[in-house]
Amino acid sequence: GAVVSQHPSWVICKSGTSVKIECRSLDFQATTMFWYRQFPKQSLMLMATSNEGSKATYEQGVEKDKFLINHASLTLSTLTVTSAHPEDSSFYICSARDLLGGYNEQFFGPGTRLTVL
Amino acid sequence: SQQGEEDPQALSIQEGENATMNCSYKTSINNLQWYRQNSGRGLVHLILIRSNEREKHSGRLRVTLDTSKKSSSLLITASRAADTASYFCATRGGATNKLIFGTGTLLAVQP
Repeated sequence: GAVVSQHPSWVICKSGTSVKIECRSLDFQATTMFWYRQFPKQSLMLMATSNEGSKATYEQGVEKDKFLINHASLTLSTLTVTSAHPEDSSFYICSARDLLGGYNEQFFGPGTRLTVL
Repeated sequence: SQQGEEDPQALSIQEGENATMNCSYKTSINNLQWYRQNSGRGLVHLILIRSNEREKHSGRLRVTLDTSKKSSSLLITASRAADTASYFCATRGGATNKLIFGTGTLLAVQP
């Protein structure tokens, strides 16, 4: 149980295009989902926290107009990288908090590798 | 930055040896967790230790926590080549209760 999926697992796009990444909790309801970004050989940096049905909360330095987050249901959150540029190339990982598992249960997706040419 | 720091940044050992990684953090915590990440892959949760615990074991893993020093260590005993990965500590606590990751240790176990 407690599986989080991401789609796509990798994407290559041209500079200036927008890319949408989906994060789904497959067998549990996630009231809160988190988006992290990881550059090569670096740690995970929290980008934003999204609560179902409300606006996402972004970390300092993360542009909310560039990284659009939608959490429309208890099992799906999406991250859209708008007008992507090469510097947005990174590994994006989502995580979901299990409503029934307690406040400290957080499960991670397998990640999406974005390459912007 | 609230991010914790880990040392060493990289560690290379022989199969069968023990590996120790350390994590230091800055704020008060509710718990500290350790994760493993194989190259280019997602995270695997290894172990969680609560702020009122000092030591925890899980298989070949031993985690200690010293809240007075704001530090934790992860010991992997009898390492295997399959243990080769990056290891991250992550702390949860503070006003926001967010999960914040450390800088990571890259462990290479030579067969």
